[in-house]
Amino acid sequence: AQSVSQHNHHVILSEAASLELGCNYSYGGTVNLFWYVQYPGQHLQLLLKYFSGDPLVKGIKGFEAEFIKSKFSFNLRKPSVQWSDTAEYFCAVNPLSGGYNKLIFGAGTRLAVHP
Amino acid sequence: DAMVIQNPRYQVTQFGKPVTLSCSQTLNHNVMYWYQQKSSQAPKLLFHYYDKDFNNEADTPDNFQSRRPNTSFCFLDIRSPGLGDAAMYLCATSKLRTGSAYEQYFGPGTRLTVT
Repeated sequence: AQSVSQHNHHVILSEAASLELGCNYSYGGTVNLFWYVQYPGQHLQLLLKYFSGDPLVKGIKGFEAEFIKSKFSFNLRKPSVQWSDTAEYFCAVNPLSGGYNKLIFGAGTRLAVHP
Repeated sequence: DAMVIQNPRYQVTQFGKPVTLSCSQTLNHNVMYWYQQKSSQAPKLLFHYYDKDFNNEADTPDNFQSRRPNTSFCFLDIRSPGLGDAAMYLCATSKLRTGSAYEQYFGPGTRLTVT
């Protein structure tokens, strides 16, 4: 079955620390890849997405992610986190098959950034 | 602002008492989705509508039904809620189901409690 694994359920960082959240998926075909963020009390919002082309994609608020096809990974990075980055982060994969697309989510990583 | 709206934000129902959750959108998107998200778990797709075409996921229990009377509205009906159905229910929309225009926009969710 297709699945998405996020390596850390909880991450605690101090402001200005660097962030990397791991995401691996199990699907051998073509995929679209997404990172969504959910700030406290708010709805899921798209952070960035990969459809094709340059495997290093840049999103909002200084986030970027790198698609490594050989490793089935799409890790999220930010060089210097801020307190306002405290949120839950979801990796999602969109396998291209079955006539339509659907998102398969990872279980999420809760990030807490301390001042 | 165009958006996805879910009502109510919090719903309490009794064991076995039918309940309906509502979703509306001002994005004029063709596709509407319903997800179930239990605590500390990934959002799980229950079903989606592409226009009037209903698409149920294979593992969605019969207890869950959906209606889409028009483009803007979509309802989730739980015929006989059990304690295991307590969760956050997320509604999402996308313009299309395939291609680069595929991107899902989420509502704030309805948190369902079953007593």
